[in-house]
Amino acid sequence: EADIYQTPRYLVIGTGKKITLECSQTMGHDKMYWYQQDPGMELHLIHYSYGVNSTEKGDLSSESTVSRIRTEHFPLTLESARPSHTSQYLCASSALAGVYNEQFFGPGTRLTVL
Amino acid sequence: TQLLEQSPQFLSIQEGENLTVYCNSSSVFSSLQWYRQEPGEGPVLLVTVVTGGEVKKLKRLTFQFGDARKDSSLHITAAQPGDTGLYLCAGALGGATNKLIFGTGTLLAVQP
Repeated sequence: EADIYQTPRYLVIGTGKKITLECSQTMGHDKMYWYQQDPGMELHLIHYSYGVNSTEKGDLSSESTVSRIRTEHFPLTLESARPSHTSQYLCASSALAGVYNEQFFGPGTRLTVL
Repeated sequence: TQLLEQSPQFLSIQEGENLTVYCNSSSVFSSLQWYRQEPGEGPVLLVTVVTGGEVKKLKRLTFQFGDARKDSSLHITAAQPGDTGLYLCAGALGGATNKLIFGTGTLLAVQP
C-alpha cells in the first residue's frame, strides 16, 4: 500500500544531542517536504526537495539539514538539539507532475528537547 | 510575505449545529486545498478547488473558492463529533515551484 512513514513518532532527548528524523514514502513521488508545526498552529515549510540530490531551504529558517540520496528517503538531521527545536515535524510528498501540488503527509515526529 | 488568515481560530459547538470556516488572503492562488488534521497525526487532504467561484460538496462539507481565487470557505452541516480536528486551508502559488502556503488553522471541537 502506498504510504508515507515517519520514525520515530515521539522523541525526548537532551540538549546537545545529534538526531535524525526519518521519512520514507512508497508513493512514487519526486517532491518531498519537511514542515514544522507547533500544536494547533499552521505549518511552516523548512526544507523541500524536487528529486535526488536536490534540496532547498523553506520559508522558515531552520538549523536542521536534509539529504535526498534516494527518491523514497528524505531524512532531517539536527547536529545539536536545543529546547527551541521542540516541535512537531511533518514530512510530506507530492507528485512532480501534479498540477495542484496536493500533498500527502506522514504521521509526524513529536520532538521534545530537554 | 504571503499570508492565509483563517477565522475563527477556535470553534466549539454542539453536535447537529452548522458552521463556516473562512480562509482569506491578499494573494491569488492557482488552486486551494483544505486539510483536516487530528491530534497526533498529519494533515489529510479533503478537497482541492481550482476555478474561481467553484463549489464542491463532500457529504456534509461544502467548499467554495472565491471568484477572485483569493479566499475560500468551508461549511459543515449538522456537525458530528467525528468532525473534530484542526482544519487547514493551503493555497498553491503556481509557477515553477507551485509551493503551498498554509493557513493559520481553525481548531474545531464538536461536543456530543
